[in-house]
Amino acid sequence: GQQLNQSPQSMFIQEGEDVSMNCTSSSIFNTWLWYKQDPGEGPVLLIALYKAGELTSNGRLTAQFGITRKDSFLNISASIPSDVGIYFCAGQLSDSWGKLQFGAGTQVVVTP
Amino acid sequence: DAGITQSPRYKITETGRQVTLMCHQTWSHSYMFWYRQDLGHGLRLIYYSAAADITDKGEVPDGYVVSRSKTENFPLTLESATRSQTSVYFCASSEPGGRTYEQYFGPGTRLTVT
Repeated sequence: GQQLNQSPQSMFIQEGEDVSMNCTSSSIFNTWLWYKQDPGEGPVLLIALYKAGELTSNGRLTAQFGITRKDSFLNISASIPSDVGIYFCAGQLSDSWGKLQFGAGTQVVVTP
Repeated sequence: DAGITQSPRYKITETGRQVTLMCHQTWSHSYMFWYRQDLGHGLRLIYYSAAADITDKGEVPDGYVVSRSKTENFPLTLESATRSQTSVYFCASSEPGGRTYEQYFGPGTRLTVT
């Protein structure tokens, strides 16, 4: 079953606001990935993290690999309407090479 | 560069019928995956394949069959479709090696079983 707890489940924000979401687990992960899914499309990879404590940015997106290796965070700064979608975290366990565990997703709605 | 494609994009079938969902990738990635996405469950792994002729079960394999005779193709077959298999199905591929476990997804197939 799902081992990742992703929160919040949904968020309604105004354009220009910053967004924060996180994933936590009782298991230790070697890799954390963040995806975004637009309606009717497949998830698209945003950021990949491979080292505890790593902080990586992709434009207005910043993600961090938690120092305990059991959590990860994604921040979106100065949100714009096209940030609308579902954001998923995914983690790779040390004993499941190639396979990922996915969080349930965070639905982001941006209002003008 | 087509990347990863799925067909059909939409399918309606009747209970008890066999249906095959196709997945094709042009990257020559070793690993391929099938997920289903349902409200409240996120993405759940059905089957995966590490290479041609090597497949293994994921979290929810019951009622599904896969094959992989060629690296680029990974079809998923529902042998006798049930209403509980109504879902959106995603195929993904990756090339694990070194530190790379990034999976790249296709556009999905929306399957309705009536």
